[in-house]
Amino acid sequence: DADVTQTPRNRITKTGKRIMLECSQTKGHDRMYWYRQDPGLGLQLIYYSFDVKDINKGEISDGYSVSRQAQAKFSLSLESAIPNQTALYFCATSEAGGTEAFFGQGTRLTVV
Amino acid sequence: KQEVTQIPAALSVPEGENLVLNCSFTDSAIYNLQWFRQDPGKGLTSLLLIQSSQREQTSGRLNASLDKSSGRSTLYIAASQPGDSATYLCAVRPDSNSGYALNFGKGTSLLVTP
Repeated sequence: DADVTQTPRNRITKTGKRIMLECSQTKGHDRMYWYRQDPGLGLQLIYYSFDVKDINKGEISDGYSVSRQAQAKFSLSLESAIPNQTALYFCATSEAGGTEAFFGQGTRLTVV
Repeated sequence: KQEVTQIPAALSVPEGENLVLNCSFTDSAIYNLQWFRQDPGKGLTSLLLIQSSQREQTSGRLNASLDKSSGRSTLYIAASQPGDSATYLCAVRPDSNSGYALNFGKGTSLLVTP
């Protein structure tokens, strides 16, 4: 099984719908991250979490929210999806102190 | 804000060639630098991690170097193979702020032809 698992892997949703992307990890890492990847733009940080009680906004957090349900689970929500949120979304983990980062396989989200 | 640039954006080489991918960053206050491989539509696979105190790391046919003072890293791929075709991403972890989240370059798309 993958160390960092994202569900769903692919999702098509309609404008205005609420959608949740889920991430779980078995690496025992404290730090978890959500990134977004758009063609030609590289990966951009949406939110990050140091632990269950510590959640922080990244550079492009508008239109998104997150929940850290447990050390191993970090969910990303789009409260009201819009077409320009169509992208590839990645969850990542690392140990405290910022060592090697491990990524999930990604969720391809399409908003129509 | 840390800016990470990768050159070239795309590269096509015949099988067997040695090649170098370049990464530069604007702020030398980094914790580490990580090279990833991404296959089309897939996740990121970590290739090499170089701590700020290190000069290079090697794994098989891959060698990554780091010159922190000049803000440069290179990924050297020896004896390239068609299976090496992918996008290679360079990411820098800043020394502070943003929870040590990574700053990514836009990647180099590599095609190795048989």
